[in-house]
Amino acid sequence: GAGVSQTPSNKVTEKGKYVELRCDPISGHTALYWYRQSLGQGPEFLIYFQGTGAADDSGLPNDRFFAVRPEGSVSTLKIQRTERGDSAVYLCASSLTAGAYNEQFFGPGTRLTVL
Amino acid sequence: AQRVTQPEKLLSVFKGAPVELKCNYSYSGSPELFWYVQYSRQRLQLLLRHISRESIKGFTADLNKGETSFHLKKPFAQEEDSAMYYCALRDDKIIFGKGTRLHILP
Repeated sequence: GAGVSQTPSNKVTEKGKYVELRCDPISGHTALYWYRQSLGQGPEFLIYFQGTGAADDSGLPNDRFFAVRPEGSVSTLKIQRTERGDSAVYLCASSLTAGAYNEQFFGPGTRLTVL
Repeated sequence: AQRVTQPEKLLSVFKGAPVELKCNYSYSGSPELFWYVQYSRQRLQLLLRHISRESIKGFTADLNKGETSFHLKKPFAQEEDSAMYYCALRDDKIIFGKGTRLHILP
């Protein structure tokens, strides 16, 4: 079956612009996670959803970042007024449900470059 | 604070030699620990988890609570082991280390 997919694979934008990054989880997975990976770093947690609700958004760096999952499937990560420091690979993962015993399956990532 | 430390950014090992990738953690409670691997141009994937006590692709990792370590080991390196390796701990979200690039020399 299909794995986690993310679009676009690459996004180049200018400082100050708004961007949306999309994640399609594995069908039937109720938990969805967003991570950000900056150059030379491991992935850093941003937010996770259980169903439609954000269960933990403690990793969002500031209020320019927002994520939604209105129907409990596809999720969109939204970044307002982008800054050069937002440049990174944004990873999405999904698991059958939340909890440490459920494997998270990762998407290929979206590489965001802010000029 | 929850933290995962991988002290080596790069580890170069000759083919056939033993491999040990170091990982130390800081966590209050009983951690769930994992190793993830990312091969060139592939997505991040789970390699093994401590609770399974399994060997995957010849790799093993033992949780040492006294030393708060979860080092990844393989007795004989193979060229296809070249990749980025991330140690991680998890409650709901995953906390990753910065990763170690393993380079197997021919």
